[in-house]
Amino acid sequence: DAMVIQNPRYQVTQFGKPVTLSCSQTLNHNVMYWYQQKSSQAPKLLFHYYDKDFNNEADTPDNFQSRRPNTSFCFLDIRSPGLGDAAMYLCATSRATSSEQYFGPGTRLTVT
Amino acid sequence: QKEVEQDPGPLSVPEGAIVSLNCTYSNSAFQYFMWYRQYSRKGPELLMYTYSSGNKEDGRFTAQVDKSSKYISLFIRDSQPSDSATYLCATPNAGGTSYGKLTFGQGTILTVHP
Repeated sequence: DAMVIQNPRYQVTQFGKPVTLSCSQTLNHNVMYWYQQKSSQAPKLLFHYYDKDFNNEADTPDNFQSRRPNTSFCFLDIRSPGLGDAAMYLCATSRATSSEQYFGPGTRLTVT
Repeated sequence: QKEVEQDPGPLSVPEGAIVSLNCTYSNSAFQYFMWYRQYSRKGPELLMYTYSSGNKEDGRFTAQVDKSSKYISLFIRDSQPSDSATYLCATPNAGGTSYGKLTFGQGTILTVHP
C-alpha cells in the first residue's frame, strides 16, 4: 500500500541536543510538508517542499531546518531543542495539483 | 480571531447516537473544506472533502457547508465506539486544485461509549 512513513514513532532527546526526524513516502507526490502539533491544538505548518523548492512559514523558528535529498525522503532537523519543542511532528504529502494531504503517523518528541 | 474556529469539546455520546461536529470560518475566500479524523497518537486521516454549499454523503458520514453563514458541519449517523477520535476541520488556503497550507480548526474530541 502507498503510504507515508515516519521514523522513529517516539523520540526522546535532551535539551539542546540536535535531533533529526525522518519521513518517507511511496505515493510519489511532489509536495512534502512538516507540521507541529502540540497537545489539544491544531497542526501548525512549519514548512513544505515542492520538489526541491523549500518554503518556510514566516513564523517557523530558525531552530527548525529541513532537507529533502530526493522525492521519497524528507528530514526535519531541530538544532537545539527546547522544552517548548516537545510535540507531535507530522509529515504529509500531496500532489502539486491537489490540496488533499496525506499524513504519516507522526513522531512524538519528548525533550528532557 | 482565528480563521477557523472549532469547539474542542470533549463530546461524549452513546453508541447509535447522531453526532454533529461544527466549525466556523472567517474568510469568505475559503471554498474547499475537509474533515480529518485523528485517532490518539496517530496522524490525521482525510474523511470528507467538500466544495460549495450543500451536503456530501459517504456512508454514515455527511459533510455540510453553509457559505452564507460560514459554517461547516460533519454528521455521523449510528455512531460507533470506533468513531471515538479527534475530528479536525480544515480548509486549503490556496484553493482545492493546488498544493499548499491547510488551516485547521482546533479539533473536537469525540467519545462514543457502548
